Amino acid sequence: AQKVTQAQTEISVVEKEDVTLDCVYETRDTTYYLFWYKQPPSGELVFLIRRNSFDEQNEISGRYSWNFQKSTSSFNFTITASQVVDSAVYFCALSPNAGNMLTFGGGTRLMVKP
Amino acid sequence: ETGVTQTPRHLVMGMTNKKSLKCEQHLGHNAMYWYKQSAKKPLELMFVYSLEERVENNSVPSRFSPECPNSSHLFLHLHTLQPEDSALYLCASSQDPAGVWGYTFGSGTRLTVV
Repeated sequence: AQKVTQAQTEISVVEKEDVTLDCVYETRDTTYYLFWYKQPPSGELVFLIRRNSFDEQNEISGRYSWNFQKSTSSFNFTITASQVVDSAVYFCALSPNAGNMLTFGGGTRLMVKP
Repeated sequence: ETGVTQTPRHLVMGMTNKKSLKCEQHLGHNAMYWYKQSAKKPLELMFVYSLEERVENNSVPSRFSPECPNSSHLFLHLHTLQPEDSALYLCASSQDPAGVWGYTFGSGTRLTVV
């Protein structure tokens, strides 16, 4: 069985602060895929990143960066110099390479105040 | 626009009504999904269709009835719903049922049962 845990239900920061969203996962598969999605107030989940279990290289995309630590089963997401437009609910998700469905974490609501 | 279109965006219905939610994608994806997102609950997978055949039904009550007439369209027929069914219903599509390449989500239908 797969499980994704996002322990932080809500985070509030002031604009320009850095913020890290935690994600811890459980799976018995040796090959799997991890994702982050953003859900703005408009409702749709927007794909941010996909990472496979064999690639532990950290990734940076603009103000976003992701830290994949297989040893601790974590896939944390950091926003540098946060902006009000980053306010959203962020979901971490896991897809095992065994034909099972995507499993989502409970989400973290990020509020960035001006 | 994500490429997955859901209509209507908002729906208010009585417990004795019958209504349908519609989802459409023209991304060439082979799998489509219905998710339910309630307040303070994780995303719940309701139905999965792969190549127009239902693959999984996570013990969803029979008052929810999915239909997938072709690979581009997915419906969720609703009848005799309960107030606790009020939620955001999200449709998603993916190239494959495992979602290895991630899911593309629609903006959702906000359903209120009165």
